[in-house]
Parts: sequence; structure tokens; C-alpha cells
Amino acid sequence: DSGVTQTPKHLITATGQRVTLRCSPRSGDLSVYWYQQSLDQGLQFLIQYYNGEERAKGNILERFSAQQFPDLHSELNLSSLELGDSALYFCASSLGTGSSYEQYFGPGTRLTVT
Amino acid sequence: DAKTTQPNSMESNEEEPVHLPCNHSTISGTDYIHWYRQLPSQGPEYVIHGLTSNVNNRMASLAIAEDRKSSTLILHRATLRDAAVYYCTPGEYGNKLVFGAGTILRVKS
Repeated sequence: DSGVTQTPKHLITATGQRVTLRCSPRSGDLSVYWYQQSLDQGLQFLIQYYNGEERAKGNILERFSAQQFPDLHSELNLSSLELGDSALYFCASSLGTGSSYEQYFGPGTRLTVT
Repeated sequence: DAKTTQPNSMESNEEEPVHLPCNHSTISGTDYIHWYRQLPSQGPEYVIHGLTSNVNNRMASLAIAEDRKSSTLILHRATLRDAAVYYCTPGEYGNKLVFGAGTILRVKS
């Protein structure tokens, strides 16, 4: 158990809909990261927040947005869903920002868009 | 993004050491090299990371080349539980991890 929790575990929804994925980091960790893993694209970095502020951005679609709240939990919002958005979404956390910090990953949310 | 190159797959016998190589010739001078592993349908698990010198922890050792263009993850005695996909990845600005295809490690009993 990494100490990172993600809800829900599974999500099935229809094209065009909007969903919210939630992540609680390990106690004391200030950085939260979101990654997407699909069969054709592999593990891809989406976005990072550090202590409530956006820190780094990867290949995140405009239809996707995220935020980190004052209690440090984070949410990833996916809207106008397409079939290609079906994937595993992982959240990770680390104590600080910068590559000297290791990341701890949650168990993921499996999103299926039908 | 920095690019990493790893063998597609490797095989080891149980109780024997395993050396997993990674080339990262374009890594920035200040980026740490991270290693993670992943079992099917699970989140990646942190293994080890380092900058310039060799690193050891309870899971593995990491040997980093002097020019930092390559590194080797060493599992001292492979067990069946070590069978997984192993990723080496530089931690870029803000600690963004850039994952490649990784190495599938198979462990034979």
C-alpha cells in the first residue's frame, strides 16, 4: 500500500459525459501528479501540482482539467469524453517538487467510455 | 523529453542476480534517474533513484555510469514476485516522469 488513495476504482460512462477522478496523496506529500495509461500510448504524464499551484504540464487535453485543494487532495476533471479517453488514470504524490523526490502511485481509476 | 532505451524483455532464474540496463544519453545534468516497476492492473511502484553515484536500498541497487548516459538496475536475488515491467525514467522539470515501453522481466522457478 503506497498511501495514495484514488476514487473511484472503476468508472463506466458514455461519450460526451463528464467525470471527476479524485486523489488523496500520502500524508505530508505536497506534490500530486496525474498520469494516463492506455494500451497504445503507454504511461503518459498529464499534470503536476505542488502545494496548490500548477507546476508542470504534459500532454493534457484541453477537455481535461485538474486542481489541488487546500487540504492537498486533487481532482482530475475529464469532459466531452471520447472513446479514446478510456484508460487507467493514476495519481502519484511526492514530498516535494524536483527530481530528487521519488513518487508514490495510487492504485488507479479505470475509466471506460462507451 | 529525454529519451530512454531499454530491452523489451529479459528472463532470469529465481535466486539469481538480474541486471536491467537503460540508456538515457539525452538526460539533463540535474535530472535524477528513477526506476519503477509495474504489475498488471496496478500502479507503478517506486524501486530506486539516483543522480551520479551508485545507490542501494532494500529492494535493489542502481549503478550509474560516470557519464550518466546509462544506468543498470540490479536485483541481487530475483524472486517470482519481482516479475514485472521495469521502467527507467528521468525526472524532468518539476519531477515529470517520462515513461518508455520498459523491460518485461520474467523470472523462472
